[in-house]
Amino acid sequence: GENVEQHPSTLSVQEGDSAVIKCTYSDSASNYFPWYKQELGKRPQLIIDIRSNVGEKKDQRIAVTLNKTAKHFSLHITETQPEDSAVYFCAASILGQNFVFGPGTRLSVLP
Amino acid sequence: DTEVTQTPKHLVMGMTNKKSLKCEQHMGHRAMYWYKQKAKKPPELMFVYSYEKLSINESVPSRFSPECPNSSLLNLHLHALQPEDSALYLCASSQKDRGWANEKLFFGSGTQLSVL
Repeated sequence: GENVEQHPSTLSVQEGDSAVIKCTYSDSASNYFPWYKQELGKRPQLIIDIRSNVGEKKDQRIAVTLNKTAKHFSLHITETQPEDSAVYFCAASILGQNFVFGPGTRLSVLP
Repeated sequence: DTEVTQTPKHLVMGMTNKKSLKCEQHMGHRAMYWYKQKAKKPPELMFVYSYEKLSINESVPSRFSPECPNSSLLNLHLHALQPEDSALYLCASSQKDRGWANEKLFFGSGTQLSVL
């Protein structure tokens, strides 16, 4: 089955700097890759996603890149703000089924 | 309505109790999910219902029993749980049209379960 790895497990950045979180997946059939943000005590919320027919997607300060050959995808957050502090989970799925989540990255944005 | 609603928000139960978790969505989604999340861990898939039929059971112990009464409701019946079953139980839903899947997964706020 699918296995998703995520690095780093914790990340601290200064406010205004960029943050990058990387994930790798094992199943080449996976074709949908969402990123979720989970604040303490709250539900995971979808922040951006990418399908396998696209190499990059951007939404304001957030971008995701996908390298199908290498089977890895990354989340990029620019101009980080304290409210970006949360746990971020990547996931991989085939046709939106059987979502497998990475172990998570705890991002701290220091003022 | 773009929300998945879960009740109760918190639940404390003994190992001999029977309780139920409830989940509701009115987005017309035809796939509904139960996930279990331990502290500082990612959500782990338990069950998937597709068009009100159980399509995936990730080898979950029989003390957890899912039920999908209709396309908007999903229940998780709990019986004879163990302390290690204490976790956040998340419900999720996604649109699923015949022939292709709309992938976006929407989560509820979860039920924080403590088994004593």
